[in-house]
Amino acid sequence: QVQLMQSGAEVKKPGASVKISCKASGDTLFNHYVHWVRQAPGQGLEWMGIIKPEDGTLSYAQNFQGRVTLTWDTSTNTVYMELNSLTSDDTAVFYCARSQSGSSVSGHWGQGTLVTVSS
Amino acid sequence: DIKMTQSPSTLSASVGDRVIVTCRASQSISKWLAWYQQKPGKAPSLLIYEASSLGGGVPSRFSGSGSGTEFTLTIDSLQPDDFATYYCQQYRAFPYTFGLGTKLEIK
Repeated sequence: QVQLMQSGAEVKKPGASVKISCKASGDTLFNHYVHWVRQAPGQGLEWMGIIKPEDGTLSYAQNFQGRVTLTWDTSTNTVYMELNSLTSDDTAVFYCARSQSGSSVSGHWGQGTLVTVSS
Repeated sequence: DIKMTQSPSTLSASVGDRVIVTCRASQSISKWLAWYQQKPGKAPSLLIYEASSLGGGVPSRFSGSGSGTEFTLTIDSLQPDDFATYYCQQYRAFPYTFGLGTKLEIK
């Protein structure tokens, strides 16, 4: 059973960037879709983007286009999400999620990473 | 983008009740709909995929139905552990959009 471990909480100033890691154990990320989802305090889930290292699938939601970059490191079985030009609206928990085998649905989730943007 | 409209936004029910949550897509998504449960301070967990397939380890009191643009999540005989927030998500086309959520509260 795959387990996803995300990097720890971050505090950033407006205008800064943040890079969050999502490391898998127990199975690979390489041939699966990995999603990133943002959840602001008390709010719903917002899909940010998707990557599949095996075939280079990469797509970003319009709301984040130009500010978000998803990358991967096959040697460490890790996917990264970098978000630039942070504002207070980016104060949120960010989740990574890996697809189930044979599907693109988010079947396995990381524990979430809290990013606080404050001056 | 495909817009997902969930209703109701809040639902009050009692242990043992049967509840139904509805999700409507702004265009046909065939069967490519998932339901997630989220408890406070926790990551979402997959309940239903492909509109009606039960996720691994999910109790059989949860069921999903629908296709095209209209979908439902049904919970039979509510248990105390079921009081949470539920989200639908389409994965027919990028961006994979979520509904706004349904908070299931104890009556």
